[in-house]
Amino acid sequence: NAGVTQTPKFQVLKTGQSMTLQCAQDMNHEYMSWYRQDPGMGLRLIHYSVGAGITDQGEVPNGYNVSRSTTEDFPLRLLSAAPSQTSVYFCASSYLGQGETQYFGPGTRLLVL
Amino acid sequence: RKEVEQDPGPFNVPEGATVAFNCTYSNSASQSFFWYRQDCRKEPKLLMSVYSSGNEDGRFTAQLNRASQYISLLIRDSKLSDSATYLCVVNSGGGADGLTFGKGTHLIIQP
Repeated sequence: NAGVTQTPKFQVLKTGQSMTLQCAQDMNHEYMSWYRQDPGMGLRLIHYSVGAGITDQGEVPNGYNVSRSTTEDFPLRLLSAAPSQTSVYFCASSYLGQGETQYFGPGTRLLVL
Repeated sequence: RKEVEQDPGPFNVPEGATVAFNCTYSNSASQSFFWYRQDCRKEPKLLMSVYSSGNEDGRFTAQLNRASQYISLLIRDSKLSDSATYLCVVNSGGGADGLTFGKGTHLIIQP
């Protein structure tokens, strides 16, 4: 199993550009989520999904969209990038949701100029 | 707002020593507790869950004190490879947004 994979590893954007961060898992996990990690801050939940076709907002959803058309994939879209979205983004998945072990992807480092 | 507080460190500890750090949480209704390890520029990985009775995994011991609302992690006979950031994670339930991550404690094991 590849576990949780994320692409790209690194990305530089200009303010106003849009992009999609890809996340996929091959463990048949129902629950998937996106976090951002900033210096001096804990991981903060952006959006999450409890299954295909179901998504919900986390703590910091503004400026991001998600969709979950399959169990395996959970892309995160930045609609119009801003410097405040410079961060490291982690995708995570688990079987039963927040109470269980979260498996994280390797992360995407995003710089918005 | 649910809070999970950790001493950011860094804790500089000689190899072979014992080190312990705590994490406090504000929500008394919190249901489950975890320690994750995060290496530099890597993703977090589960180190161990924390059970009410306390639990041990090799050189690592985790304790939960519900009355005082803190959890602790003890590392015995520390190795150079233990150098990492240790994240305290608390699940307050209420659905998929129930996990709260601490900012982490940075541990450096020195030869």
